[in-house]
Amino acid sequence: EDKVVQSPLSLVVHEGDTVTLNCSYEVTNFRSLLWYKQEKKAPTFLFMLTSSGIEKKSGRLSSILDKKELFSILNITATQTGDSAIYLCAVSAGNNRKLIWGLGTSLAVNP
Amino acid sequence: GAGVSQSPSNKVTEKGKDVELRCDPISGHTALYWYRQSLGQGLEFLIYFQGNSAPDKSGLPSDRFSAERTGGSVSTLTIQRTQQEDSAVYLCASSSGRGSTEAFFGQGTRLTVV
Repeated sequence: EDKVVQSPLSLVVHEGDTVTLNCSYEVTNFRSLLWYKQEKKAPTFLFMLTSSGIEKKSGRLSSILDKKELFSILNITATQTGDSAIYLCAVSAGNNRKLIWGLGTSLAVNP
Repeated sequence: GAGVSQSPSNKVTEKGKDVELRCDPISGHTALYWYRQSLGQGLEFLIYFQGNSAPDKSGLPSDRFSAERTGGSVSTLTIQRTQQEDSAVYLCASSSGRGSTEAFFGQGTRLTVV
């Protein structure tokens, strides 16, 4: 059965800290891995990763994929209170590219 | 349209009534997903459409739930005889299904069954 597991489930840090969120997966016919940020209702897209070892970066956020060990990490440096959200990982797999979602990591950044 | 549109944004219904939720995906997107998210929980997959067909309905929690998609575009999720445990935010997402697999989400429908 295809599955995506995120860790930790929740995390509380102080402003300025650096955090690393993990996403591991077991799927058949991997296509890509996606990271989303969910603050209120709709998740918003952060990154899509398809190749191992190539870092994607956007401001203080960065992500990398390891297709051999079947995981990805999302790094946030110099965290701000506005980074508080649920971070979701999804893997696209199979011929129909169905998305399989993790349960998310709830991040709280305290001032 | 410019983005994924869901309606209504909020729905309060009495237990036992039927409700219909609507999703308008991004024009040209062939893949459409329905998810449910209860307070503080992760995304729960309900159903996936590729065009008008639903190759994966495995997430529908009971036979009270059904969904259809017509013309490869608009989708409706119907919940019959609603129960209080159906209260959640129902999210719809669409993707092009070609090359890029990024999914774009609508703002969701918050369903409250009283």
